[in-house]
Amino acid sequence: GQNIDQPTEMTATEGAIVQINCTYQTSGFNGLFWYQQHAGEAPTFLSYNVLDGLEEKGRFSSFLSRSKGYSYLLLKELQMKDSASYLCAATPNTDKLIFGTGTRLQVFP
Amino acid sequence: GAVVSQHPSWVICKSGTSVKIECRSLDFQATTMFWYRQFPKQSLMLMATSNEGSKATYEQGVEKDKFLINHASLTLSTLTVTSAHPEDSSFYICSARDRENGYTFGSGTRLTVV
Repeated sequence: GQNIDQPTEMTATEGAIVQINCTYQTSGFNGLFWYQQHAGEAPTFLSYNVLDGLEEKGRFSSFLSRSKGYSYLLLKELQMKDSASYLCAATPNTDKLIFGTGTRLQVFP
Repeated sequence: GAVVSQHPSWVICKSGTSVKIECRSLDFQATTMFWYRQFPKQSLMLMATSNEGSKATYEQGVEKDKFLINHASLTLSTLTVTSAHPEDSSFYICSARDRENGYTFGSGTRLTVV
């Protein structure tokens, strides 16, 4: 089976740094994605990791450890517009994309 | 970039009727599309994988006779919710693998069954 876990909710202050963790157990692994989703909208792509290590893209970075079944999304210099749900998703094979439970992030002034 | 168009964006229907949702890849061919359902404050749940020219593959627990999927061409997949009931009210989202092997999502359909 597939199991992808994230914290349900997180809060942070504008300008701060927040790390959203994701642990996964999947039958097969072909990469891990992070998406941002605002309420009532489609998810938008943030990052993709298939090899161990850190991928940095502007204010957002994503880390993967395949041996530990672990990933995190790091958001720096938080802005109010970063308040959204952040979805970790894994590809157990080359086809499907399975989403984690999602983390609702609220940024306060 | 790759674009997936999903229509309608919202629909209200009476209990017992059927609703069809369309998902089109506008600038690329998608041999495989995916249908997700999302309840409020929850994550996306994969319902089925839609394969062009063949039967869809449904995830465990998803009723194939209730959620009919047709993928008649390389750019169009449809999801029909048959005999809809209030518990089917949800946000339905499609996605497709694009040229760069990423996943592009449609804008979603908010279904309300009254």
